[in-house]
Amino acid sequence: ELKVEQNPLFLSMQEGKNYTIYCNYSTTSDRLYWYRQDPGKSLESLFVLLSNGAVKQEGRLMASLDTKARLSTLHITAAVHDLSATYFCAVGANTGTASKLTFGTGTRLQVTL
Amino acid sequence: DAGVTQSPTHLIKTRGQQVTLRCSPISGHKSVSWYQQVLGQGPQFIFQYYEKEERGRGNFPDRFSARQFPNYSSELNVNALLLGDSALYLCASSLLSLTKTYEQYFGPGTRLTVT
Repeated sequence: ELKVEQNPLFLSMQEGKNYTIYCNYSTTSDRLYWYRQDPGKSLESLFVLLSNGAVKQEGRLMASLDTKARLSTLHITAAVHDLSATYFCAVGANTGTASKLTFGTGTRLQVTL
Repeated sequence: DAGVTQSPTHLIKTRGQQVTLRCSPISGHKSVSWYQQVLGQGPQFIFQYYEKEERGRGNFPDRFSARQFPNYSSELNVNALLLGDSALYLCASSLLSLTKTYEQYFGPGTRLTVT
């Protein structure tokens, strides 16, 4: 059974600081996703990572994927308050008849002034 | 283009009742998946439907059922509601391949509260 672990679960950081969220998964996969979720809202897609060594950047967020280590990271550069949200990684798994996402536990990010 | 739509937005039910949630996928997407997100946790896979057939099922009891219609919209039914069924129910649509997972696009969700 595929397991996805994120750490930390909660992150409080000051504006302007850098930090990294880690996502480890237990079996091979062809895709890894990062989502953002604001309180009471649905999931907003941030990044889709398709291959080993993939790196994608959007604004202050950068995601990378190491399929050999089964590890993805979401790096936050010079955090601002607007980045406060919960971030989920999700691993795509194909069973041959279905494709589903297995989500991590989420990292709640709080950016303080 | 319209994204994934879900109805209703919020719902309050009593234990033991039954509920039906609805989802319309993005135009051109034939696969619909349902996820349950309990407060403070990540979404959990419930079902995937493609071409009106169930293609995958998560670890949920038989009280949960779903179906997909010829226009690819879908309904999720939950019978004999329990307090623990209170959650945000998310619908996602995607293309489907038997060889790889395509990106899933999530709807706004239905917030179900069971009292």
